[in-house]
Amino acid sequence: NAGVMQNPRHLVRRRGQEARLRCSPMKGHSHVYWYRQLPEEGLKFMVYLQKENIIDESGMPKERFSAEFPKEGPSILRIQQVVRGDSAAYFCASSPRAPPEKLFFGSGTQLSVL
Amino acid sequence: GDSVTQMEGPVTLSEEAFLTINCTYTATGYPSLFWYVQYPGEGLQLLLKATKADDKGSNKGFEATYRKETTSFHLEKGSVQVSDSAVYFCALIPYNNNDMRFGAGTRLTVKP
Repeated sequence: NAGVMQNPRHLVRRRGQEARLRCSPMKGHSHVYWYRQLPEEGLKFMVYLQKENIIDESGMPKERFSAEFPKEGPSILRIQQVVRGDSAAYFCASSPRAPPEKLFFGSGTQLSVL
Repeated sequence: GDSVTQMEGPVTLSEEAFLTINCTYTATGYPSLFWYVQYPGEGLQLLLKATKADDKGSNKGFEATYRKETTSFHLEKGSVQVSDSAVYFCALIPYNNNDMRFGAGTRLTVKP
């Protein structure tokens, strides 16, 4: 049973470009969470999605950031018009139920904005 | 809102030393409490958890006890190894909530 898969592992973008981060949860998991980790800081909750629905996006910046988890395919975190401050590690986690007994994390996507 | 606060790092210990990483929480109701570990270049892995007061979570020689009276969930290990070098995160899931909230993380380095 494959774990949570995130790709790409590393993503380099220039200021103003778009970044698309993908997350495939573990098989059977319909709940997905996105977190951002800035250097030497903890994980900050961004958004919680269940298949086709955004349940809680209280941690997501109001502009430029969006997330989706379609019926088929991976969850996507999209950052439009990236700025240097968006450089961070973005982690996806999944669980089979809510509330989760625990979260299973992917290896993350390191976004670097030049 | 509900949150956790953990001791700042970094922490540097010699092999076989005793480890304590402090974590306290603020919550309404009874959250579930967790310790996660992050090795270099990897995602977080669950280390241990406790879901109610006085529960003790344990794994790989690490232990933490859910203390309601002191709102704490301190991580301990009697004898650390070089392979324990990692970043450790305290976390909680608030009662009747779905998202997990993390502390800032504590970097542990164990020297031979």
